[in-house]
Amino acid sequence: QVKVVESGGDVVQPGRSLRLSCAASGFTFSSHAMHWVRQAPGQGLEWVAQIAHDGGYKGYPDSVKGRFTISRDNSRNTLSLQMNSLRSEDTAVYYCVTEVGARAFDIRGQGTMVTVSS
Amino acid sequence: DVVMTQSPLSLPVTLGQPASISCRSSQSLAHSDGNTYLIWFQQRPGHSPRRLIYKVSNRDSGVPDRFSGSGSGTDFTLKISRVEADDVGVYHCMQGTYWPYSFGQGTKLEIK
Repeated sequence: QVKVVESGGDVVQPGRSLRLSCAASGFTFSSHAMHWVRQAPGQGLEWVAQIAHDGGYKGYPDSVKGRFTISRDNSRNTLSLQMNSLRSEDTAVYYCVTEVGARAFDIRGQGTMVTVSS
Repeated sequence: DVVMTQSPLSLPVTLGQPASISCRSSQSLAHSDGNTYLIWFQQRPGHSPRRLIYKVSNRDSGVPDRFSGSGSGTDFTLKISRVEADDVGVYHCMQGTYWPYSFGQGTKLEIK
């Protein structure tokens, strides 16, 4: 059964950095693209980053491009999100999204909360 | 970027009655591979989103057959044939055809 566990969320000051992790199990991690999405308090969902199965392609929306970096370690079944120059508008719950099957996106974890505040 | 617009944003429904949520995209979600990547998620209060339907009309395992998805091109609908108390929450549509992938604003379903 597909399972992901997000971690690394914290309270940080504006301008600081934070690294999120997602531990995946129950599927062949190295064969599938992975993603991060986020949900600000009381708001809708927003895509944050995507990475190809082998890490060869990475994509970001304009809202985080140049500040966030997605990466993966296929030997450890782990997905990461390095977030730099954090802003108050980055405050959100961050979810690790699986893509087991072409564009069969799914949210299986509980998310990790990031709060950017002085 | 593709904009997803849901309506209504708030949906009060009487128990046992049907409910319908509309999702419209700013451009056709038909992919060149022949598929249409439109997904519906349910988010119960205090929980993570849960996928209900993928590729417009395919129900996920364990999802009651009271839920159905339909549509094509730019217009999509999620229908609940008979609303139950357990259905309370926010419903999100999402397109996975064009990058950056995008979600609708969410529709909050409540019991009247």
